[in-house]
Amino acid sequence: QVQLQESGPGLVKPSQTLSLTCTVSGGSISSGSYYWSWIRQPAGKGLEWIGRIYTSGSTNYNPSLKSRVTISVDTSKNQFSLKLSSVTAVDTATYYCARYRSIAAGFDSWGQGTLVTVSS
Amino acid sequence: QSVLTQPPSASGAPGQRATISCSGSSSNIGSNTVSWYQQLPGTAPKLLIYNNNQRPSGVPDRFSGSQSGTSDSLAISGLQSEDEADYYCAAWDDSLNGWVFGGGTKLTVL
Repeated sequence: QVQLQESGPGLVKPSQTLSLTCTVSGGSISSGSYYWSWIRQPAGKGLEWIGRIYTSGSTNYNPSLKSRVTISVDTSKNQFSLKLSSVTAVDTATYYCARYRSIAAGFDSWGQGTLVTVSS
Repeated sequence: QSVLTQPPSASGAPGQRATISCSGSSSNIGSNTVSWYQQLPGTAPKLLIYNNNQRPSGVPDRFSGSQSGTSDSLAISGLQSEDEADYYCAAWDDSLNGWVFGGGTKLTVL
């Protein structure tokens, strides 16, 4: 059974870049034709999709975040990463990594989430 | 403001049935299938329903989904105390070229 685990700094200063990594275990990130996504959730609020990457490297981003987001994949480490630039307090949230095989199949595996606080 | 609209709360007594609605538009629910997620307090969301009405292995058949036009709904029959959670709907949006979620519904088992 595949497992996803987020890692990265829990505190980021305003205007800096938030960087998170999702490590995939129990299966290869390159196999199975999956899309790998980042999703965030501010405390007490709903879920917001940030973007996705396919193992080929092709990406799609939420239009509202597109100018600040970069998602990349490192197949040799079985990881994919998120970079969000020019962060402000509104970017404070729990960040989840998740995967899906097709839009009909939904997000079938999620990481446990990591809280990132933007504060000076 | 979420693209998909859900009621903020729902409730029902143990053993009864609860229904949660999810309203969208022609570019998301009207064109693509819906998935539902259950989020227990302090945990990550868990896939409950995919492809409108399919359940992953291990999800009880008390949970069911149905779609009609640009709306979808999640029904939970035989409510149990452990069903108290937040529930989210999601769908791919062809106009945004990305996933959109509902704002979430907090289910209370009275």
